[in-house]
Amino acid sequence: RKEVEQDPGPFNVPEGATVAFNCTYSNSASQSFFWYRQDCRKEPKLLMSVYSSGNEDGRFTAQLNRASQYISLLIRDSKLSDSATYLCVVNHRAGNNRKLIWGLGTSLAVNP
Amino acid sequence: GAGVSQSPRYKVAKRGQDVALRCDPISGHVSLFWYQQALGQGPEFLTYFQNEAQLDKSGLPSDRFFAERPEGSVSTLKIQRTQQEDSAVYLCASSLRDGNQPQHFGDGTRLSIL
Repeated sequence: RKEVEQDPGPFNVPEGATVAFNCTYSNSASQSFFWYRQDCRKEPKLLMSVYSSGNEDGRFTAQLNRASQYISLLIRDSKLSDSATYLCVVNHRAGNNRKLIWGLGTSLAVNP
Repeated sequence: GAGVSQSPRYKVAKRGQDVALRCDPISGHVSLFWYQQALGQGPEFLTYFQNEAQLDKSGLPSDRFFAERPEGSVSTLKIQRTQQEDSAVYLCASSLRDGNQPQHFGDGTRLSIL
């Protein structure tokens, strides 16, 4: 089982739709969680950190469920510009080692 | 500079040659990370520095890969005796303190081994 698993998609949705991505992680010692966005042939860019209490940034809402080891990202009122790959990132620390584990990404295409 | 800077943007080398990839992190960022990203995959962690100390190199795929950050700022990833499977995008990221904070990425170096 991969340490971080995401549904690769692709998700094809119309503009204005609400879309949700899920991510599960296997290591219960994981400490930090992020969603990154990566456009084709570009570097990943931080979308948002994920906090235990859940957090929202405009149309984007992230949730963390530590008991189920599950992270989600909700995008409301999707725009054409939201088309990208969304990467779930989990970081856990073991001594001096910081294992930074990335999911393979979920591909989103928002259609007019 | 304002962001993480990597050079070169593109590198083509013949199998067996040595290559060196450079990363200039955001000024003042303590932590620096190297990743390898193959087409259609997420970034795979290679190694991590806190200042000049290489705290984790567990992701380096073989002893042909070597990274350094001698003065705690600029870092170099060196690949010796390159193989075709080394072809990938090599991403560098930095964060203000440690790996629990968001990372800021450079544009990457696209390495092609012929």
